[in-house]
Amino acid sequence: DAGVTQSPTHLIKTRGQQVTLRCSPKSGHDTVSWYQQALGQGPQFIFQYYEEEERQRGNFPDRFSGHQFPNYSSELNVNALLLGDSALYLCASSAMNTEAFFGQGTRLTVV
Amino acid sequence: RKEVEQDPGPFNVPEGATVAFNCTYSNSASQSFFWYRQDCRKEPKLLMSVYSSGNEDGRFTAQLNRASQYISLLIRDSKLSDSATYLCVVSYLDMRFGAGTRLTVKP
Repeated sequence: DAGVTQSPTHLIKTRGQQVTLRCSPKSGHDTVSWYQQALGQGPQFIFQYYEEEERQRGNFPDRFSGHQFPNYSSELNVNALLLGDSALYLCASSAMNTEAFFGQGTRLTVV
Repeated sequence: RKEVEQDPGPFNVPEGATVAFNCTYSNSASQSFFWYRQDCRKEPKLLMSVYSSGNEDGRFTAQLNRASQYISLLIRDSKLSDSATYLCVVSYLDMRFGAGTRLTVKP
């Protein structure tokens, strides 16, 4: 059983560009959450998707948007990239009231 | 006030030491509580869930005090392999993480 998979693992983008990150949840999980983790900090909650809708959202600007597909996989889109968006982006999947499992993350560098 | 606050650390302890981490949370409606472990440049992994009655898993003991909105993790007989960052996690509709406390266990 594959766990949570994210792609790509590493990415370099230029300021002002747009990026799309992808996540496939663990089998049997229907909820996907995205986190941003800056160096030396804990993961910061971006948003959560359930039944193809954004269910919860953290304190992130509208430049951060997402989508969940019928097969529960998800995308995170970031527009108008800033240098400060450089971070490790983590995807976590879960089912109702169960622990969350994380993917290995996508390390985004904005130059 | 941050949603989840942890001891800032870092903690540097010798092998065999006992070390305790503390965490407080602000949302009294929180329902689930966890400790995750994160190794350098890796994803967080569940260490243990935390229950009101307290729970133990080998050398690790977790406690929850809902009245004080406080969670703790105790590691006994520290091993070199315990060196990592420990993340306190509180969940209501989604999981919120503390900033993490870095532990280094030295020979």
